[in-house]
Formats: sequence, C-alpha cells, structure tokens
Amino acid sequence: AQSVTQLGSHVSVSEGALVLLRCNYSSSVPPYLFWYVQYPNQGLQLLLKYTTGATLVKGINGFEAEFKKSETSFHLTKPSAHMSDAAEYFCAVSDRRSNYQLIWGAGTKLIIKP
Amino acid sequence: NAGVTQTPKFRILKIGQSMTLQCTQDMNHNYMYWYRQDPGMGLKLIYYSVGAGITDKGEVPNGYNVSRSTTEDFPLRLELAAPSQTSVYFCASRRALGDTQYFGPGTRLTVL
Repeated sequence: AQSVTQLGSHVSVSEGALVLLRCNYSSSVPPYLFWYVQYPNQGLQLLLKYTTGATLVKGINGFEAEFKKSETSFHLTKPSAHMSDAAEYFCAVSDRRSNYQLIWGAGTKLIIKP
Repeated sequence: NAGVTQTPKFRILKIGQSMTLQCTQDMNHNYMYWYRQDPGMGLKLIYYSVGAGITDKGEVPNGYNVSRSTTEDFPLRLELAAPSQTSVYFCASRRALGDTQYFGPGTRLTVL
C-alpha cells in the first residue's frame, strides 16, 4: 500500500534561510506527487505537483520540489524564507493502484523566526 | 467561480445530535471528496463520489453518510454525533483522476 512520510512535524528556520521540507513516499508504480499548503484557519491549496516529465517542478511563491525516483523522495525547497511562508505543508501521493486517490502525509508546520 | 464552498464554518453539537455539512462546487467537477483533519494526522478520506448518483467509502466512513444527487452538491451527514467526530472537515473536488484537488475552507465541528 502507498504511504507518505514527512520528516519533522515542525520545522523552524530563520527569515532569509533555506527552507527544506522532506517527503518520502512508497509506491510500486509511477506516482503523481503533490505539495499543498494550509494557512491558519484555511483550506488547502496546491503549491506544486509532479505527474510526468521534468523531475524538478516549480510552484507558487518561489517553492520547488524534485522527484527522485531512486530515493523515493519529493522534498520541497525554497531558497529564502519569508514570514508569509509560515503555514502547514502537506505532501501527497497518488497512483493507478490507489485509483488515483490521494494518500496524505501527516504534515509539517513551518515556523519562520524573525 | 466561487470554487468549493462549505457551510457552516463552525458548529458545536451535543452527543447524539445529527447534522448535515454542505458542500457545493461550481467547476462542473465529476469527482468530489470529504476528508477529516485531526491534529498531527494529515487528512483521512471519509467518502468520495465519481459522479452524480455514485458514492463510495473511503478510509474512515463509519458514522457518516453521503449522497450525490447533482454534480454540484455533495452533503455529508452525521448521525448520532460522538466526541470522536470532533474534527475539521474539508470538501474537495477535481475534474479528473490525477488532476489537482480544490478544497473548500473547511467546517470546524466540535461534539460535546
């Protein structure tokens, strides 16, 4: 069965520092991979997704993620953190074996220190 | 487009009461979903629908029911509310399998 592991329920970085949020997945067939962001008291919105093609995917707000099949990873990065990036981030995977239902990680809360 | 809308935003129920959470989308999406979000647990799928008249159970369907009489609406019914159903509920929709899911703003439910 598919699963998603997000390392670290909380990640704290200083404003201007690199953001790295880790996501590892298990899937025995080609996956679709997603990162969503949830701001306080709001619904989830898509940051970026990988379906096929280029393994480095660029999303909104300066975020990007790289699909690494050999490492079964899809880590999210941003070169320079802003205070407005403080939110919870969710990684999700889907594939044909799950009938493309999304399987979600537990989420990582990103804290930005001034 | 309003996207996905949910009502109410907040609700407090007593144990044993019933209620319906409303979800409407105006994007003509075939696929609709109900999730619950508990702290530190990510999202769990309750029910989903692949089109009007067709629904199926997700990972955590017990204590809930759904219907899909139109493409736009996908209400979630709670019968005999229990404290374990205290959660934030999100409705989502997407056009096709593998597409982006669009989420509503959520309903925060407390059962006391």
